[in-house]
Amino acid sequence: GQNIDQPTEMTATEGAIVQINCTYQTSGFNGLFWYQQHAGEAPTFLSYNVLDGLEEKGRFSSFLSRSKGYSYLLLKELQMKDSASYLCAAQDSNYQLIWGAGTKLIIKP
Amino acid sequence: IAGITQAPTSQILAAGRRMTLRCTQDMRHNAMYWYRQDLGLGLRLIHYSNTAGTTGKGEVPDGYSVSRANTDDFPLTLASAVPSQTSVYFCASSERGDTGELFFGEGSRLTVL
Repeated sequence: GQNIDQPTEMTATEGAIVQINCTYQTSGFNGLFWYQQHAGEAPTFLSYNVLDGLEEKGRFSSFLSRSKGYSYLLLKELQMKDSASYLCAAQDSNYQLIWGAGTKLIIKP
Repeated sequence: IAGITQAPTSQILAAGRRMTLRCTQDMRHNAMYWYRQDLGLGLRLIHYSNTAGTTGKGEVPDGYSVSRANTDDFPLTLASAVPSQTSVYFCASSERGDTGELFFGEGSRLTVL
C-alpha cells in the first residue's frame, strides 16, 4: 500500500533550527512536496523535490533521497510565525498526491 | 485577488439533507480537486477533474458527486448527508493534472448532526 509517515508533533525554540522528517512508500514516484498549514487556514505550497539532494529557498530547505524513500524539511532561524502544521505529500505514478497526516510544529520563545 | 473561493465557510446540516459546496477559481487552472481533512489523517482526495467536462474518483468518493461544466466551477454535492461526512472540505486547483503544486481554497467546515 501507499503510505507517508511523519512525526505528529515537534517543539523548537525561536531562532533555532528544526528538521521535520518524512518517509514515503508509493506506487511509482513523481515528486515530493511540502506544504505549510496554519491552524484554521488552507495549506500553502512550500517546496518540491524530484531529484536527490537539497533544495534551498530562503530559511526553508527540503532534501530528498529517492533510494531511501526519505525527505526532510529544514527550517532555520525559526520565527513565531513558523508555528504551523507541515504536510508531506508524495506523488505516485498516476500523479496523485499521497498525504501524510502532518507535523504540528510548536515554536517557544 | 486571484484565487479559489469556497462557499459556505461553515454549515451545520441535518442528516439526510442534500448539500452542495461551491468552489470557483479565477486562475484558469485546468485541474481541480476536492479533499476532506480530518483530525489525525492526511488530506484525502474525494473527486478530481483534470479538465472541464471530465471528472474522476479519488480515494473516498462514496456519498459525494461532482460536476465540471466549465473551467472555473467545481461544486461538490452530498446527496444525503451522514454524520461521518462531518469534516473540513478543501477545494484546490492546479495548472495541470500532473503537477503537485496545488492552490487551496479556505475550506468549508461541515457538521452533520
